[in-house]
Amino acid sequence: GQSLEQPSEVTAVEGAIVQINCTYQTSGFYGLSWYQQHDGGAPTFLSYNALDGLEETGRFSSFLSRSDSYGYLLLQELQMKDSASYFCGGGYNKLIFGAGTRLAVHP
Amino acid sequence: DTGVSQDPRHKITKRGQNVTFRCDPISEHNRLYWYRQTLGQGPEFLTYFQNEAQLEKSRLLSDRFSAERPKGSFSTLEIQRTEQGDSAMYLCASSTRLYNEQFFGPGTRLTVL
Repeated sequence: GQSLEQPSEVTAVEGAIVQINCTYQTSGFYGLSWYQQHDGGAPTFLSYNALDGLEETGRFSSFLSRSDSYGYLLLQELQMKDSASYFCGGGYNKLIFGAGTRLAVHP
Repeated sequence: DTGVSQDPRHKITKRGQNVTFRCDPISEHNRLYWYRQTLGQGPEFLTYFQNEAQLEKSRLLSDRFSAERPKGSFSTLEIQRTEQGDSAMYLCASSTRLYNEQFFGPGTRLTVL
């Protein structure tokens, strides 16, 4: 079967660093993707890890450990506009998403 | 705008009616996906196409749901005999063969009364 688990909510203050974890159980799993979705908006692609290790894209970084079936999204220098839901996703030829982590950034 | 578009953006229907949604993907993308999302949940995979071929359909998907992509461009999703449990946001996404990076449309919000 395929399933991904994430914390439901995370709260942080502006300027801080937050890590959103994702553990997964999938068969035929090929990498881990991360998407951001603001309230009322569509999901937008943030990053993809095909191999173990850290991928950095500006303030956002994503990590994957395939042996541990675990990954995380790291958001640095948090801004109010980062308040959104974040989804990890994996699969083969399609994406199965976790239930999402709602991030609230406070002043 | 060269992104993914969906029509209509909102649909209100009565239980038992049929509805059809349209998705226009990014023109150079050969893969097209349909997802369903309810409040507080992640997008739930429904089906996907590569060009005009429907290659996978979720085993959880009722027979009342059918999707087509007749010329490998736009796609339609039809729900027959709608039920209140079908109320959700229906999202379409497209990609190249790099399916991990998908581009989502704004969605069609369906409300079944």
